[in-house]
Amino acid sequence: AQKVTQAQTEISVVEKEDVTLDCVYETRDTTYYLFWYKQPPSGELVFLIRRNSFDEQNEISGRYSWNFQKSTSSFNFTITASQVVDSAVYFCALSEAGTGGFKTIFGAGTRLFVKA
Amino acid sequence: DTAVSQTPKYLVTQMGNDKSIKCEQNLGHDTMYWYKQDSKKFLKIMFSYNNKELIINETVPNRFSPKSPDKAHLNLHINSLELGDSAVYFCASSQDRAGGKAFFGQGTRLTVV
Repeated sequence: AQKVTQAQTEISVVEKEDVTLDCVYETRDTTYYLFWYKQPPSGELVFLIRRNSFDEQNEISGRYSWNFQKSTSSFNFTITASQVVDSAVYFCALSEAGTGGFKTIFGAGTRLFVKA
Repeated sequence: DTAVSQTPKYLVTQMGNDKSIKCEQNLGHDTMYWYKQDSKKFLKIMFSYNNKELIINETVPNRFSPKSPDKAHLNLHINSLELGDSAVYFCASSQDRAGGKAFFGQGTRLTVV
């Protein structure tokens, strides 16, 4: 069965600190996708990244980086030099094949507070 | 132009009423979804349509009925609203069925009183 665990409910950092958001997943499939989404206080959900299960390369996009490790079933997200605008709820999600199509489940989210 | 638009943004209604939420996407995507986000921010998929065909139907009360008149629209009708239906409902679309790189609407905050 699918499962996504984001053990950190809330994290509070001071601006310019680096912060890592953890995500651990469970799946029986060999083909699956992992995602991160951001939900700022305004409420919309913003796609950040998608990774397929066959691509373990880490990715960097500006101050954001992602570390995908199949050996530990983790897909962690690091924000370098955090800024106040990074304050949001961050969701990790897993999509695996089900009847008719892929089903995406979300972790419970990690609320990040970045203080000036 | 908004990629995925939902209406209304806010909906306050009494228990027992029937209401609809509309969703339209102008991205040319084949797959559309409805998600429910509860008061604890937990997001759960409800339905998924691909080219107007229902492909995912989670364990959702049958008071919830999605309708897709064409692949750019996915509406959600809710009958006999209950207090527990209060939540934010998000519509989303993606190019493929893998659910990835989904574009979300701004959400509809439903409050049942």
